[in-house]
Amino acid sequence: QVQVVQSGAEVKKPGASVRVSCKSSGYTFTSYFIHWVRQAPGQGLEWMAMIDPSGGSTTYAQKFQGRVTMTRDTSTSTVYMELSTLRSEDTALYYCARAWSDLVQAFDIWGQGTMVTVSS
Amino acid sequence: AVHLTQSPSSLSASVGDRVTITCRASQDISSALAWYQQKPGKAPKLLMHDASSLESGVPSRFSGSGSGTDFTLTISSLQPEDFATYYCQQFNTYPLTFGGGTKVDIK
Repeated sequence: QVQVVQSGAEVKKPGASVRVSCKSSGYTFTSYFIHWVRQAPGQGLEWMAMIDPSGGSTTYAQKFQGRVTMTRDTSTSTVYMELSTLRSEDTALYYCARAWSDLVQAFDIWGQGTMVTVSS
Repeated sequence: AVHLTQSPSSLSASVGDRVTITCRASQDISSALAWYQQKPGKAPKLLMHDASSLESGVPSRFSGSGSGTDFTLTISSLQPEDFATYYCQQFNTYPLTFGGGTKVDIK
């Protein structure tokens, strides 16, 4: 079945970096954009970044410019999101999600979420 | 960035009630709007895209309407499994943005 599966929870110290993976299966990896959305505890959804797995082009929210990097490995159908210079406010559940189509960047397939905790 | 304002932020309703949630965009986004349902501890679930296109498997009691800046999500007859938080999201312009959410709970 179509799914995206994320890596496990992470605990990091302030100033460190975290890399979260998102492995796709059940569909043609290069045909659908992958996005990252985060949700702080008890809060709403926040869009962070997008990658086109076909060519590797990315788009980042200005808020995360310079701190976030998305990459992909087409041989394993995996997307990676690295967030650097972590601070306590980055503590959140991070989701990867597949876009419905090239023109419809709504998210039809979601990962299970990866909890990132930033604490000294 | 396009700001999405959802209202109300929460509501209490009974099974069988008709529920309407609104989402207002700070600028024209055509019909590039999606609605999600999120239950505690779960990832969001896409209900509809393009403002009114229902996702496969989503019950027909859910409907969406609107274009430009004003959108609505309607649940025609609220069911026990519909108690959740609902979010709108625009995909007309980057950065993609979400509304603040509407929590629907049991009266």
